[in-house]
Amino acid sequence: DTGVSQNPRHKITKRGQNVTFRCDPISEHNRLYWYRQTLGQGPEFLTYFQNEAQLEKSRLLSDRFSAERPKGSFSTLEIQRTEQGDSAMYLCASSLLDSNEKLFFGSGTQLSVL
Amino acid sequence: GESVGLHLPTLSVQEGDNSIINCAYSNSASDYFIWYKQESGKGPQFIIDIRSNMDKRQGQRVTVLLNKTVKHLSLQIAATQPGDSAVYFCAENRMDTGRRALTFGSGTRLQVQP
Repeated sequence: DTGVSQNPRHKITKRGQNVTFRCDPISEHNRLYWYRQTLGQGPEFLTYFQNEAQLEKSRLLSDRFSAERPKGSFSTLEIQRTEQGDSAMYLCASSLLDSNEKLFFGSGTQLSVL
Repeated sequence: GESVGLHLPTLSVQEGDNSIINCAYSNSASDYFIWYKQESGKGPQFIIDIRSNMDKRQGQRVTVLLNKTVKHLSLQIAATQPGDSAVYFCAENRMDTGRRALTFGSGTRLQVQP
């Protein structure tokens, strides 16, 4: 499968715990994006990377959210001290540098905070 | 304000009919638009895109129309099939902010009746 891969598909955690999600983009794609999607809504942009550089992170929802892409390949999104309001689908997408932002999405990680 | 929105939250059509999904945007600086299809439990899937220097683009059974005068975007699906049942999102890219990430609307659910 050469598409965007996200793990895990589902995560159930208790309030206050930390969680980390992984995204493996399409191999030749320079850009990697994280979005959040709640039920009935469109994806909401969180942050994006160009290679290993995080070029936009002002939309991360709070300082409990952080993302890394240390080697310019896979990325992780961490949420510390989870809250029930963090329950959502977390989507990763990737694109080529000059693709007019045509994003290719993974299937997402569904987070449930109890 | 700046927004990407949809006129109808749910559209029900008969199999074989043509479907038209509409989207309004308010920012004249938007220069690139994409339609995505999202099936339950999956990430958004690219359907078709259009740049602001075009007013029409056709794909396989799909056509996107862009009316910049009234800031309106539509997706036409010919001979709608049960497999077309999904939520459809329009998304825009606005270059004026320098933020190269798509902004999504809230989606329209398409239900195809057999």
